[in-house]
Amino acid sequence: GQQVMQIPQYQHVQEGEDFTTYCNSSTTLSNIQWYKQRPGGHPVFLIQLVKSGEVKKQKRLTFQFGEAKKNSSLHITATQTTDVGTYFCAGDFNDYKLSFGAGTTVTVRA
Amino acid sequence: EAQVTQNPRYLITVTGKKLTVTCSQNMNHEYMSWYRQDPGLGLRQIYYSMNVEVTDKGDVPEGYKVSRKEKRNFPLILESPSPNQTSLYFCASSPIGDTFYGYTFGSGTRLTVV
Repeated sequence: GQQVMQIPQYQHVQEGEDFTTYCNSSTTLSNIQWYKQRPGGHPVFLIQLVKSGEVKKQKRLTFQFGEAKKNSSLHITATQTTDVGTYFCAGDFNDYKLSFGAGTTVTVRA
Repeated sequence: EAQVTQNPRYLITVTGKKLTVTCSQNMNHEYMSWYRQDPGLGLRQIYYSMNVEVTDKGDVPEGYKVSRKEKRNFPLILESPSPNQTSLYFCASSPIGDTFYGYTFGSGTRLTVV
């Protein structure tokens, strides 16, 4: 099936620093979604991006969808301990089979 | 409260013993899906259903069955479990329209096959 690649797999961040996780697809996406999974928990929907070049913000989180609708990024500013977890992107190739990236697991040093 | 309920949360079974993991949602969502989560592989789709009596294979359907007799329920059946099906399983549901909306996930079922 079609795949979404996500990097990095791990991100170790000093509290207060920024970081970015990236998703890439070789084919155009209908839309892309982002989820967060806390340790021991289940994935929780964060946001959906649909339009080319779209940028959305949720407090310290900034989500972008590329102009070609083949890539996306999640940027977190001023990382806090509450940001710990695994962040997944999930691409919709317009076939109702949402394809998840492998995830970026974030740990925070206080 | 809007939710997806999976049972059981934890299950240890032996190779070859049929089992069913139940999933129920109370949001009247058309779309339901099963995923398995393995370290380094993210979430891989097993089966999905776009409505009652409509099911289709995801990326890793081998060894699994599903049914969708009612809109709210979407059980996952392992007819003859094997150790390579040891994994964390999630059921998820979503409304669908002209595009795919965000999933609501269940709390997960951790399955160990020995």
